[in-house]
Amino acid sequence: AQSVTQPDIHITVSEGASLELRCNYSYGATPYLFWYVQSPGQGLQLLLKYFSGDTLVQGIKGFEAEFKRSQSSFNLRKPSVHWSDAAEYFCAVGELLAGGYNKLIFGAGTRLAVHP
Amino acid sequence: ETGVTQTPRHLVMGMTNKKSLKCEQHLGHNAMYWYKQSAKKPLELMFVYNFKEQTENNSVPSRFSPECPNSSHLFLHLHTLQPEDSALYLCASSQPYGLAGDTGELFFGEGSRLTVL
Repeated sequence: AQSVTQPDIHITVSEGASLELRCNYSYGATPYLFWYVQSPGQGLQLLLKYFSGDTLVQGIKGFEAEFKRSQSSFNLRKPSVHWSDAAEYFCAVGELLAGGYNKLIFGAGTRLAVHP
Repeated sequence: ETGVTQTPRHLVMGMTNKKSLKCEQHLGHNAMYWYKQSAKKPLELMFVYNFKEQTENNSVPSRFSPECPNSSHLFLHLHTLQPEDSALYLCASSQPYGLAGDTGELFFGEGSRLTVL
C-alpha cells in the first residue's frame, strides 16, 4: 500500500537559515508527489508538485523539492526561511483513481517554527 | 467568490444532534473530496465523488452521510456522532489529470472545525 513518511514532527530554524524537510514515500509505480502547507486555522495550499520530467521542481514562496527515485524521497528545501513560513507542511503521494483523479495519501506533517 | 468554500467554519454539536457541513467549489471541477484531519492522525480520505457519483468510501462509519447533488456542491450530514469525531473536516476539488493540461492536484477549502460534546 502507498504510504508517506515525514520523519520530523517538529523543526525549528532561525530566520534567514536554510531549510530542508524530509519526505519518503512508498509507491509501486511512478509517483505523483506533492507538498502542501497549512497555516493555523486554514486549509491546505499547494506549494509544488512532481509528475514527471525534471526531478528538481520549483514552487511558490521560494520553495523547491527534489525527487530522488533511488532514495524514494521528495525533500522540500528553501535557501532562506522567513518568519511567515512558520506553518505545518505535508508531503503527499497521489494514487490515480479511475477517471484520472488523484487520491492523495498524506504524511503526518512537519510543524515548522521560525525564530527571529 | 473563487476556490473552495466551506460552511460553517466552526460547529459544536451534541452527540444526539443532526447537523450538516457544506462545501461549494467555484473552480469548475468535477471531483470533490472529504478529508478528516484529527489532532493525532494524518489526513484521512473519507469520500470521493466524481461527476456526482461516489467513487471512494474509505470505510467511514454510517453516522457520516455524504451527499453530492451536483459537481459544485458537497455535503456531509452528521448524526449521533462521538466525541472522537471532533476534528477539522476538509473539502477539496480537482479536475482529471491530463484534462486541458491539468495536473490533477487537489484544491482545499479552509475546513470546518467540528467539536462533539
